Amino acid sequence: GAVVSQHPSRVICKSGTSVKIECRSLDFQATTMFWYRQFPKQSLMLMATSNEGSKATYEQGVEKDKFLINHASLTLSTLTVTSAHPEDSSFYICSARSGTSGGGDTDTQYFGPGTRLTVL
Amino acid sequence: SQQGEEDPQALSIQEGENATMNCSYKTSINNLQWYRQNSGRGLVHLILIRSNEREKHSGRLRVTLDTSKKSSSLLITASRAADTASYFCATDKNNAGNMLTFGGGTRLMVKP
Repeated sequence: GAVVSQHPSRVICKSGTSVKIECRSLDFQATTMFWYRQFPKQSLMLMATSNEGSKATYEQGVEKDKFLINHASLTLSTLTVTSAHPEDSSFYICSARSGTSGGGDTDTQYFGPGTRLTVL
Repeated sequence: SQQGEEDPQALSIQEGENATMNCSYKTSINNLQWYRQNSGRGLVHLILIRSNEREKHSGRLRVTLDTSKKSSSLLITASRAADTASYFCATDKNNAGNMLTFGGGTRLMVKP
């Protein structure tokens, strides 16, 4: 099956620093990747949709200058949390959707294992 | 905003019993998907049911979809302690670029 990886799995940083999270589709080409945030005991909230080679589309209320998304290739998207603050502490999950020629079910999103960010 | 509402929010059963979780949504959909999440982990895709399908099976899982009522159910038969997890439904709305909107989830605990 299609596999999505995330790195790092866990990161602790000081307030004011920037953190980059990578999302990779390992065995298929992902034309679209999605970034979600999940607070404890809550559901996933979509932050942004990332299409390879174009600017990300952010959901309402998500600051694009704070959460920088780069989808430079068909297998890699990165989320950078800039000037992180304690309220940014959360579980960040990416997912990837296969393109029509990339293998896998094109309607299925494959999720990464998540990255737990703790900002001190 | 979340499209789906899940019911119940929490469910506790004994091993061997069946577990039923329900999901309701508000707008028309292309498909509905069920995911499982163990505590602090990523999501595992369980099953996808399209808007023109009414029922689907996968192992001990049975999913139904009623588009007239805008609702879906996930049935886990003969539950096991290892089924303990949170279960989320997610809707893929028509022509929405395959964005998924997640329900609030059901936390299932299966007691051995």
